[in-house]
Amino acid sequence: NAGVTQTPKFRILKIGQSMTLQCTQDMNHNYMYWYRQDPGMGLKLIYYSVGAGITDKGEVPNGYNVSRSTTEDFPLRLELAAPSQTSVYFCASRPAGTASYEQYFGPGTRLTVT
Amino acid sequence: RKEVEQDPGPFNVPEGATVAFNCTYSNSASQSFFWYRQDCRKEPKLLMSVYSSGNEDGRFTAQLNRASQYISLLIRDSKLSDSATYLCVVRGSNFGNEKLTFGTGTRLTIIP
Repeated sequence: NAGVTQTPKFRILKIGQSMTLQCTQDMNHNYMYWYRQDPGMGLKLIYYSVGAGITDKGEVPNGYNVSRSTTEDFPLRLELAAPSQTSVYFCASRPAGTASYEQYFGPGTRLTVT
Repeated sequence: RKEVEQDPGPFNVPEGATVAFNCTYSNSASQSFFWYRQDCRKEPKLLMSVYSSGNEDGRFTAQLNRASQYISLLIRDSKLSDSATYLCVVRGSNFGNEKLTFGTGTRLTIIP
């Protein structure tokens, strides 16, 4: 199993550009999450999904959109990128029906908006 | 008050020493507690869950005090490979129990 994979690893965007951060997991996990991590700050939840076709806002959803058409994929869309979206983005997943709530993280995407 | 608060460190500790971190949380309805480890420029990985009765995994001991709303992590006989940032994580009662709230992390460096 590759686990949770994210592409790209790095990206530089100009202000106002758009992009999609890709996230795929091959563990058949129902739950998937997007976080951002700013320097010196804890991870903040952007969006999450409890299964294909179902998404919900997290703590900091403004400026982002998500979709979940399959169990495996959970892309994060940035429209009109702003410098405040410079961050490291982590995708995570976890199986349903477990008491542990352990989340498995992808390696992250480092995004700079200039 | 922050939802999850940790001493950011850094803690610089000689190899073989014992080191302890504390973490406090503000939401008394929080339901699950964890310590994650994050290596430099890497993703977080679960180190251990924290149970009410306290639990041990090798050199690592985690404790929870619900009355005082704090969690601790003790590392005994520290190794160079223990150098990392340790994240205190709390699962609360928001967002359908899906929200994990992460502390900002405590940076640990083990010195040879």
